[in-house]
Amino acid sequence: AQKVTQAQTEISVVEKEDVTLDCVYETRDTTYYLFWYKQPPSGELVFLIRRNSFDEQNEISGRYSWNFQKSTSSFNFTITASQVVDSAVYFCALSEANAGGTSYGKLTFGQGTILTVHP
Amino acid sequence: NAGVMQNPRHLVRRRGQEARLRCSPMKGHSHVYWYRQLPEEGLKFMVYLQKENIIDESGMPKERFSAEFPKEGPSILRIQQVVRGDSAAYFCASSPRRDPLYEQFFGPGTRLTVL
Repeated sequence: AQKVTQAQTEISVVEKEDVTLDCVYETRDTTYYLFWYKQPPSGELVFLIRRNSFDEQNEISGRYSWNFQKSTSSFNFTITASQVVDSAVYFCALSEANAGGTSYGKLTFGQGTILTVHP
Repeated sequence: NAGVMQNPRHLVRRRGQEARLRCSPMKGHSHVYWYRQLPEEGLKFMVYLQKENIIDESGMPKERFSAEFPKEGPSILRIQQVVRGDSAAYFCASSPRRDPLYEQFFGPGTRLTVL
């Protein structure tokens, strides 16, 4: 069974601080995808990133960066110089992706981390 | 290109009524997933459908819930005899292929409130 744990329920920071959101996952699959989604107060889900389990390179996109560590089953997300507009709930998710082609991408989500950035 | 559309965006029902949630996938997408987000929780998988077929309904409650994705028209998630515990946000996502290599695109969600 797959499981995603986001231990931080809520994080509160002041604008311009850096903040890291933790994500730990469990899976028996050797091939899988990891995701981060943002859910702003308006409620929709905004896709941020998808990572293949074979690609452990860290990724940076503007103020966002992701650290994938297969050895510790973690996929942490860092926002540098946070802004008020970053305030949202952030979800980490996992999907199977076995080479046999029988998987279909069902997503398993973590509980989410509520990030509040104060001006 | 229009994204995934869900309607209604907000739905209020009294206990015992039926709720019908609609999801129109992106053009060219024939795979639909439904997820439920209970208050202050993460999203949980409910059902995966391809056109005219239910592939995996392992996340659906055994009673009162059903889903369909007909050859023509949107996918429908139906909840019969709603109870207060059904109050949640229901999201659908669509994908062009079964392969998880292809990204799922999420709709804006339907927020169901049961009075």
